[in-house]
Amino acid sequence: DAEITQSPRHKITETGRQVTLACHQTWNHNNMFWYRQDLGHGLRLIHYSYGVQDTNKGEVSDGYSVSRSNTEDLPLTLESAASSQTSVYFCASSDPGRGREQYFGPGTRLTVT
Amino acid sequence: AQSVTQLDSHVSVSEGTPVLLRCNYSSSYSPSLFWYVQHPNKGLQLLLKYTSAATLVKGINGFEAEFKKSETSFHLTKPSAHMSDAAEYFCVVSNTNAGKSTFGDGTTLTVKP
Repeated sequence: DAEITQSPRHKITETGRQVTLACHQTWNHNNMFWYRQDLGHGLRLIHYSYGVQDTNKGEVSDGYSVSRSNTEDLPLTLESAASSQTSVYFCASSDPGRGREQYFGPGTRLTVT
Repeated sequence: AQSVTQLDSHVSVSEGTPVLLRCNYSSSYSPSLFWYVQHPNKGLQLLLKYTSAATLVKGINGFEAEFKKSETSFHLTKPSAHMSDAAEYFCVVSNTNAGKSTFGDGTTLTVKP
């Protein structure tokens, strides 16, 4: 069965370190998204991609970067981790086209100390 | 531009009684609307979606939602709550072909025995 996976599931890191969160999907979807989830804020879009070599900033992109070298993967990098980036991170993918739902990974809980 | 407002951050019902989770949206164009459910420590799962076909949409686990353009609403209902319905629910609006979506802040549903 097709799926979307994230790794690691839990990560503790120190302020100032670079961290990369992996997202891998086998749906063959062109669209991929990264969100962060914090209490009281729902899910907020960090970065998104509509295909290989395409990346776009979302509403909370400062301090994060992504790259898309193939269809299956969209890694999220925190250049210099800050305590404000402690959160749960979700990756999602979808087909292009109006009304297509997003398929979500299980999430990565990141703690920055 | 698009936005979504979930009118209740918490809803508590007794098992066997009806559920109503309220969602209002704002969109410059004809939107696609979704409800997702998130159980504790899990990813998001699609409950149902509206994409300009029938205004009454049926989803999984007995949930349904009605699109009301005049009221810009997309409320989620279920006739009889079950203990397993206790979760976080997100209303989502999307008005682009590329699938970029805006999430509400979520409604926590508690089901009392």
